[in-house]
Amino acid sequence: DVKVTQSSRYLVKRTGEKVFLECVQDMDHENMFWYRQDPGLGLRLIYFSYDVKMKEKGDIPEGYSVSREKKERFSLILESASTNQTSMYLCASSLQGRWTDTQYFGPGTRLTVL
Amino acid sequence: SQELEQSPQSLIVQEGKNLTINCTSSKTLYGLYWYKQKYGEGLIFLMMLQKGGEEKSHEKITAKLDEKKQQSSLHITASQPSHAGIYLCGADPRDYGGATNKLIFGTGTLLAVQP
Repeated sequence: DVKVTQSSRYLVKRTGEKVFLECVQDMDHENMFWYRQDPGLGLRLIYFSYDVKMKEKGDIPEGYSVSREKKERFSLILESASTNQTSMYLCASSLQGRWTDTQYFGPGTRLTVL
Repeated sequence: SQELEQSPQSLIVQEGKNLTINCTSSKTLYGLYWYKQKYGEGLIFLMMLQKGGEEKSHEKITAKLDEKKQQSSLHITASQPSHAGIYLCGADPRDYGGATNKLIFGTGTLLAVQP
């Protein structure tokens, strides 16, 4: 079974803090993704990575950056957290980039920025 | 850009009843995925459909993709409290020329099953 884990289930940070969200997958997947989920807006793609050190912007990359130094780990970074970044963050991974490759999701991190 | 519309937005059914959730796209769907999400948790993969007319079943859940590949339905037979949650459809729009599998998602259908 594919396992995608996220470093925290719940996180509370203050405005202006630098925040790191980590995601690890154990299935040697090439592709990894970060989404945020908000009521009424659904899931929106922030960034994705198709290989180590490779990344592409998703639909809402502003205010975020990512890092992928190892194949199994994909980090989402909020350089200076703001209240509008309070959200549920979901990480996913897939074997490759074919549209038949299922994305498997982690349990999510609920981030609150005060 | 492509959007996925789900209907209904929410649904309350009595245990044992059947129900259907729909997912409609304005463009052809490539790889239509159904996921289930328990409140506050991650998405659990249910099924993926790729061919027009395709139908897949897992336990009491059946998903279909129409011939035009623009609409999918998820049908639950004899619903149980364990079926409660948010059901999301996702699809790869393949309209950006990219080489990877981006997904766009519907806004979800909240299902409650009353014992």
